[in-house]
Order: sequence, then structure tokens, then C-alpha cells
Amino acid sequence: GENVEQHPSTLSVQEGDSAVIKCTYSDSASNYFPWYKQELGKRPQLIIDIRSNVGEKKDQRIAVTLNKTAKHFSLHITETQPEDSAVYFCAREGEKLTFGTGTRLTIIP
Amino acid sequence: DTAVSQTPKYLVTQMGNDKSIKCEQNLGHDTMYWYKQDSKKFLKIMFSYNNKELIINETVPNRFSPKSPDKAHLNLHINSLELGDSAVYFCASSHSTYEQYFGPGTRLTVT
Repeated sequence: GENVEQHPSTLSVQEGDSAVIKCTYSDSASNYFPWYKQELGKRPQLIIDIRSNVGEKKDQRIAVTLNKTAKHFSLHITETQPEDSAVYFCAREGEKLTFGTGTRLTIIP
Repeated sequence: DTAVSQTPKYLVTQMGNDKSIKCEQNLGHDTMYWYKQDSKKFLKIMFSYNNKELIINETVPNRFSPKSPDKAHLNLHINSLELGDSAVYFCASSHSTYEQYFGPGTRLTVT
């Protein structure tokens, strides 16, 4: 179906270490995979996205990888900083944007 | 300049009341959405309008009625409010089906 599974639901990482969040989906028609960051009390905001004709995309400390065959995609944050603490949502676009269940990332100073 | 704005930011009301939330975008986008985010932070789409036409209507009680008077506005009216309607409601807009810009959210509390 259209669901997106996201893991882990919570993640604590020491400042400076890397964080990885993974999502899987089942609808092979999906062709657009954005990641949103939602800080406490704020709106979700797009931080990076990837389209199905690309396997990897990087923007400074964040990167996203996509494996269309296995139907999973991941967000990688390197050299984590306290301001990276937030809830992160993966999503897939088919007929509509379907969000994963979110990962609460906490960076420990 | 606020790209997507919503009013009110907070809404506290009693069960059984009727309330409306308004949304406006100045990005020139052709598609607008309403999402509900519950206490567990799940983001669930409720409705989507493209050029003032309803294109997505998820399994939402018919107490919820969206209305799009023009491409830049999408309002949400809720009749006979229930405790379970308490959530944060986000409006969003996009050009086609790609990056969505969210409004600041409306925190609805039903007592």
C-alpha cells in the first residue's frame, strides 16, 4: 500500500557523531522522497529530497540515499550539532505525500 | 513575508461547537492541503485542493468541510467538535506535487 515505515522512533546521538534514519515503502510507483525537519512547536520544513532517478544526494552535513529495488531510503546527518535536535519525517510521493511516523532525534552535548 | 499563514494560531473551544481555521498562501502555488498532527506527532493528510478543486479527500468525518474560495486560500470548517479533534492542524501549499510549504499550524484544543 501507501504506508511508509520509519525507524527508529527515537534516537539519541552524542554531539559530533552521525545519525541515520531509515524508511521503507511498498508502492513502487513512488518517485519523490523528501525529508522534513520539525523543531519543537514549529512547522515541518523540507531539508532535502531525492527523486527516483538518483541514488544519493548530499547537502553539506546531510545526505539521503535511495535504493529503489529494495524500496528503502535513508537520511544521514554527520557531525551532529545541538540544533539538529528535532523530529524528522521521511515521506514518499505517489498520488499524494505520505509521511513516515517520525524520528525524534536528540543531540547530547 | 509569510509564505503560508494560518489563523488562529491557538483555538480552545468546547465540545459541540463549530469552528473555522483559515489559510492563505502568497507563493502562487496551485495546490493546497490540510494535515492533522496528533499528540504522537503523526502527520496525516486530510484534504488537498488543486486550482480550487478537491482532489484528495481522505477518510475524514464529514463534520470537516474544506472550502477553497480561490487558489490562495483554503479554509477548514469543523462542525460539532469532539475531544478527539484536538490536534495541531497544518495547512500547506505546493506547486504540483513536490516540495510542500507548511503554515505555522493551529493548535486546536477541545474541552
